[in-house]
Amino acid sequence: GAVVSQHPSRVICKSGTSVKIECRSLDFQATTMFWYRQFPKKSLMLMATSNEGSKATYEQGVEKDKFLINHASLTLSTLTVTSAHPEDSSFYICSAPPGLTEAFFGQGTRLTVV
Amino acid sequence: AQKITQTQPGMFVQEKEAVTLDCTYDTSDPSYGLFWYKQPSSGEMIFLIYQGSYDQQNATEGRYSLNFQKARKSANLVISASQLGDSAMYFCAMSPMGTGNQFYFGTGTSLTVIP
Repeated sequence: GAVVSQHPSRVICKSGTSVKIECRSLDFQATTMFWYRQFPKKSLMLMATSNEGSKATYEQGVEKDKFLINHASLTLSTLTVTSAHPEDSSFYICSAPPGLTEAFFGQGTRLTVV
Repeated sequence: AQKITQTQPGMFVQEKEAVTLDCTYDTSDPSYGLFWYKQPSSGEMIFLIYQGSYDQQNATEGRYSLNFQKARKSANLVISASQLGDSAMYFCAMSPMGTGNQFYFGTGTSLTVIP
């Protein structure tokens, strides 16, 4: 079946540094990918839609300068958390739909900012 | 605006029994897809089942079936013959057609299977 790979699975970084998270579709092309954020024991909240070859679309309340998204190819989208602060600590997860009736998620990235 | 409601924060079921996880939704979109995902403690999201808003028959995938009642805007997940490995969080999600499977999630139900 379709596979979406997300890397890294865990990252700890110092406050003020930037962290890049990669999301790859391994056996299909994805013109669109989605980035979600999940707080502990909460639901997933859509952050942005990553569009191959064009700018990402951010949900209301998500700082586009804080969360930089690049969808440089049909199989790779990256989320960069810039100048990270402890409140950015969260679980970030991407998804990519190979078709209309399904969407597969990456393994998720647990970010801890210290 | 889309709203997905899961009213059961936690559920318990005896092993080998069936369990129903509730999901209701509210949308003004005429076409949409309904999805269920399982999230174990590792955090990964595992796709379980899909139902299109215009599908006449309820979706089934192995031990999973979706009880779709469009007029009531409900899409309940039924898990038959529960197994210990079914213990996890379960999320209902809706995607309006044309969004490329951009999801709106419910708050989730924590299912515990008791031996």
